[in-house]
Amino acid sequence: GENVEQHPSTLSVQEGDSAVIKCTYSDSASNYFPWYKQELGKGPQLIIDIRSNVGEKKDQRIAVTLNKTAKHFSLHITETQPEDSAVYFCAANTGNQFYFGTGTSLTVIP
Amino acid sequence: NAGVTQTPKFRVLKTGQSMTLLCAQDMNHEYMYWYRQDPGMGLRLIHYSVGEGTTAKGEVPDGYNVSRLKKQNFLLGLESAAPSQTSVYFCASSYPWTGGGEQYFGPGTRLTVT
Repeated sequence: GENVEQHPSTLSVQEGDSAVIKCTYSDSASNYFPWYKQELGKGPQLIIDIRSNVGEKKDQRIAVTLNKTAKHFSLHITETQPEDSAVYFCAANTGNQFYFGTGTSLTVIP
Repeated sequence: NAGVTQTPKFRVLKTGQSMTLLCAQDMNHEYMYWYRQDPGMGLRLIHYSVGEGTTAKGEVPDGYNVSRLKKQNFLLGLESAAPSQTSVYFCASSYPWTGGGEQYFGPGTRLTVT
């Protein structure tokens, strides 16, 4: 099956700085890559996604890049704010199944 | 519009007991999923359903059973609970999709097996 690796597991940044989270996947058949944000005590919530026919997608302060050849994709958050503090998960879709990374705990220091 | 709801929110079981977790969605989604979330391991798919009356195994199905008798409900059963099933369980739903589609997650059920 698919194997998704996510780094780093924890990340601390100063407010206003950028944060980058990286994921790699193993199955070249994976074709959809969502990113989720999970706040304490809540379920994950989709923040951005990218399909395999697209190299980059941006939504305000959040962007995702995909390198199919290298099988890696990254989440970029610019101008970080304290409310960005949460756990972020990447995922890769193959067939009807989603495979998740192990999560990155992001702390934005005011 | 409540989205995805899960019942119960918390539960403590003794080893060998059984229980059923209920997931309900009011978005008319075809697809529904059950995940478990353990520290340091992300979310892992237990079972999923692509429509009423259908179920399929995910990545970690052993020790669990599911049923999808109604489109809006997806039940997860533990017949004989084990301490290894202590986890937070999340249900999700989505529209049928090709090439990707948003999953909507419920708030989770925290299960402890002693």
